[in-house]
Amino acid sequence: DGGITQSPKYLFRKEGQNVTLSCEQNLNHDAMYWYRQDPGQGLRLIYYSQIVNDFQKGDIAEGYSVSREKKESFPLTVTSAQKNPTAFYLCASSSQGQPQHFGDGTRLSIL
Amino acid sequence: AQSVTQLDSHVSVSEGTPVLLRCNYSSSYSPSLFWYVQHPNKGLQLLLKYTSAATLVKGINGFEAEFKKSETSFHLTKPSAHMSDAAEYFCVNQPGRRALTFGSGTRLQVQP
Repeated sequence: DGGITQSPKYLFRKEGQNVTLSCEQNLNHDAMYWYRQDPGQGLRLIYYSQIVNDFQKGDIAEGYSVSREKKESFPLTVTSAQKNPTAFYLCASSSQGQPQHFGDGTRLSIL
Repeated sequence: AQSVTQLDSHVSVSEGTPVLLRCNYSSSYSPSLFWYVQHPNKGLQLLLKYTSAATLVKGINGFEAEFKKSETSFHLTKPSAHMSDAAEYFCVNQPGRRALTFGSGTRLQVQP
């Protein structure tokens, strides 16, 4: 079945540590997205990529970094510069003009 | 400016009774509206999308939504709630194929 796989499902970060969240899709979608979800809030866009080797900052990119070396993969790194990283992170992908498909998310917590 | 307002943060209904989740939008561009559902610790699943072909849109699991341009609304309804409908629902706008704008969500509780 085609879909989006996010791993790990739960992740813990120590102070001053960078962590990387994985997102893989086999839907052959050109565009991929990372969102952050906090309790009681909608999703906020961190980064997005419309094509391989290109990506753009979203509304809350500070403290995060991404890469898009392959069409199928769009990993997100939460750096130590992100002072409030505890959240639920969702990855999505889409083909042009179509609704976004979402993964099942990664919940990041601070130790 | 683009925005999406979900008028109720929580809605509680009894099983078998109708569901109404309200959404208003503002958009400088022609809206492209969606409703997504999110079950706990899961990603978002598309319920339905407005494509401008028809103002009444039917989605999965018996949900439907009506686009009313004069009221800038896109309310989600279901005639009879089921326990499995308990989840968080998001109204989303993607005006002019720009980035998605999410509402803050409505948590639906279904009482037995």
